[in-house]
Amino acid sequence: QVQLQESGPGLAKPSETLSLTCTVSGGSISNNYWSWIRQPPEKELEWIAYIYYSGSTNYNPSLKSRVTISVDMSKNQFSLRLNSVTAADTAVYYCARTTRAGYFDLWGRGTLVTVSS
Amino acid sequence: DIQMTQSPSSLSASVGDRVTITCRASQSISNDLGWYQQKPGKAPNLLIYAASSLQSGVPSRFSGSASGTDFTLTIFSLQPEDFATYFCHQSYSLPYTFGQGTRLEIK
Repeated sequence: QVQLQESGPGLAKPSETLSLTCTVSGGSISNNYWSWIRQPPEKELEWIAYIYYSGSTNYNPSLKSRVTISVDMSKNQFSLRLNSVTAADTAVYYCARTTRAGYFDLWGRGTLVTVSS
Repeated sequence: DIQMTQSPSSLSASVGDRVTITCRASQSISNDLGWYQQKPGKAPNLLIYAASSLQSGVPSRFSGSASGTDFTLTIFSLQPEDFATYFCHQSYSLPYTFGQGTRLEIK
C-alpha cells in the first residue's frame, strides 16, 4: 500500500533554512495533492502548504513568505523548504496526501525538527 | 482564518463506554469537517470526512454528525485500541485549520 516517509535533519540553527523531503512509496505521486503539516510541542496542528503533482501550490499566509514546496516526480518525492527558522518552528513535521476535498487521507509518521543554536 | 474549538481537551472513559467529542467552527463551514485519530509515534488516521462519512476501513463504531457550526464525533462501545488523541479539521477554506485535540484516556 502507499506509504509516506519524511526525511531531513532533526536539528536546525536559528536563521538557517530547514529542508524536508517526503518520499511516496507503493504508489505514484501523480494525480494527487500533497501537503506539509506541522505540530509544535503542546500546540495544535498547522497546515503549511500543498502542492499538486503538476506543480501548482497553495500556502498558509502565515508562513508563505518563508516557505517553498516542490515536487520531483522522477523521485516520487515532494519537499519543503522553510527559511529563516526560529525556535517557534520547532515541531513535528508531517507530510500527507490530500484529497481534492481537502482531507488528509494518508500521513507519514512525522519527523521532529528542533531549532536551536 | 476559521477557528476550530474542540472540547473536551481530555476525557477518561472505560472500555464499552460511548464517548462524544465536539468541534465548533467560528463560522459556517458547510459539512467540510474531518475527524482524525492519532496514536503516539504513529501517523494520524482519517476516520470521518464530510462531517459524517466513514472513511474506508474505519470501524462502524465511529460516527460523525453536524448541526450548524457544531460537529460531533461519537465512538460507540469503546475498544482498547481507541484510546488515542482525536482532532478535527476544516477543509472548507484555506488555510486549513485544526482543533486543539482531545486525549482519550482509559479510566
